[in-house]
Amino acid sequence: EAQVTQNPRYLITVTGKKLTVTCSQNMNHEYMSWYRQDPGLGLRQIYYSMNVEVTDKGDVPEGYKVSRKEKRNFPLILESPSPNQTSLYFCASSPPSDGNQPQHFGDGTRLSIL
Amino acid sequence: EDQVTQSPEALRLQEGESSSLNCSYTVSGLRGLFWYRQDPGKGPEFLFTLYSAGEEKEKERLKATLTKKESFLHITAPKPEDSATYLCAVRSTGANSKLTFGKGITLSVRP
Repeated sequence: EAQVTQNPRYLITVTGKKLTVTCSQNMNHEYMSWYRQDPGLGLRQIYYSMNVEVTDKGDVPEGYKVSRKEKRNFPLILESPSPNQTSLYFCASSPPSDGNQPQHFGDGTRLSIL
Repeated sequence: EDQVTQSPEALRLQEGESSSLNCSYTVSGLRGLFWYRQDPGKGPEFLFTLYSAGEEKEKERLKATLTKKESFLHITAPKPEDSATYLCAVRSTGANSKLTFGKGITLSVRP
């Protein structure tokens, strides 16, 4: 089954404790992206990757890092989480971004930073 | 900067009562407009892509249409299982090709 898998689905942690949210897709997609979803603000792009070893900032990259060492994986790293990063996070993937293929989304990771 | 505005924010319908959801957009050049459905606790699920003004697409009780400034998602004779949040997003003709989302419309269909 074609899917985007995120782990963990839920996490409660404390300020300053480094964490990583993993994202894996099994569709051989080149393009991957991270979004956060907040009430009243909608989905906003954090980082994206056009292919292996190619990443770039989206609209709200502050406080986040990403890496793309393999095509299927695109982890989101919070080096020193803060309460304003409490949010619902989604990973998405699609074929090359120069096409018109829709992005496929994971089921989300709900992060609470205390 | 690309912008997407969806209205109304929330819509409550009686089962069988048809209606339309609106998505207004501003982009420098439209590569595609996407409609997604999102259920509580789930990620957005793709519904339609529209590429040019005048285009229409249908799926069961849903029909999406596109003009140069807005898109409509028409829901004909909705059922309670159509209750969800409907998201509209645009992809512009820039190098990044990111999706810019609206804030969504929460639809509730009462039996």
